[in-house]
Amino acid sequence: EDKVVQSPLSLVVHEGDTVTLNCSYEVTNFRSLLWYKQEKKAPTFLFMLTSSGIEKKSGRLSSILDKKELFSILNITATQTGDSAVYLCAVEAGLSGGSNYKLTFGKGTLLTVNP
Amino acid sequence: DTEVTQTPKHLVMGMTNKKSLKCEQHMGHRAMYWYKQKAKKPPELMFVYSYEKLSINESVPSRFSPECPNSSLLNLHLHALQPEDSALYLCASSQGRSAGAKNIQYFGAGTRLSVL
Repeated sequence: EDKVVQSPLSLVVHEGDTVTLNCSYEVTNFRSLLWYKQEKKAPTFLFMLTSSGIEKKSGRLSSILDKKELFSILNITATQTGDSAVYLCAVEAGLSGGSNYKLTFGKGTLLTVNP
Repeated sequence: DTEVTQTPKHLVMGMTNKKSLKCEQHMGHRAMYWYKQKAKKPPELMFVYSYEKLSINESVPSRFSPECPNSSLLNLHLHALQPEDSALYLCASSQGRSAGAKNIQYFGAGTRLSVL
């Protein structure tokens, strides 16, 4: 069974701090790893990573994948209260015996940024 | 534009009711998904449609019946639900097979369902 494990499960920081969120995985037929931010409702897409060692960056957020060690990190620098959300890591992997793929989500990291 | 629209936003139904959830996207995506999300849990996959054909059913009870009338629309028909089916139901879409490894799923805002 595919597994995605995120840590920590929750984190409280002050505005301006830098945070690192972790995601490790054990899947067969890995295709990609995605990070989403979920506030009240829809998970919103942040990054997709398919290759090891290539950092994806968007403003204060960045992410990198290590396919040898089977993990990814999401960094947020100079955190703001608007960064408060659940950050979900998901891995797309192929199902055995066919050409179908599915996303398996981790439990998420609840980030709270206090003013 | 990466918008996936879901209606209704909220739904309250009794255990004997029949209702439907709707999902629409106009991004030309050929894969559409239904997920169920309980409070403080990650989304769990229910169904996948690829090119309007059901490709994955994650052993979902038959009281949930998906339908994909065309490439832009996805419905979830609900009948004889149980209180434990109360959850946020999320729809997502992606390019599908043609995207290869770059198959990003975009999510709608969800329908919050309460079964009384």
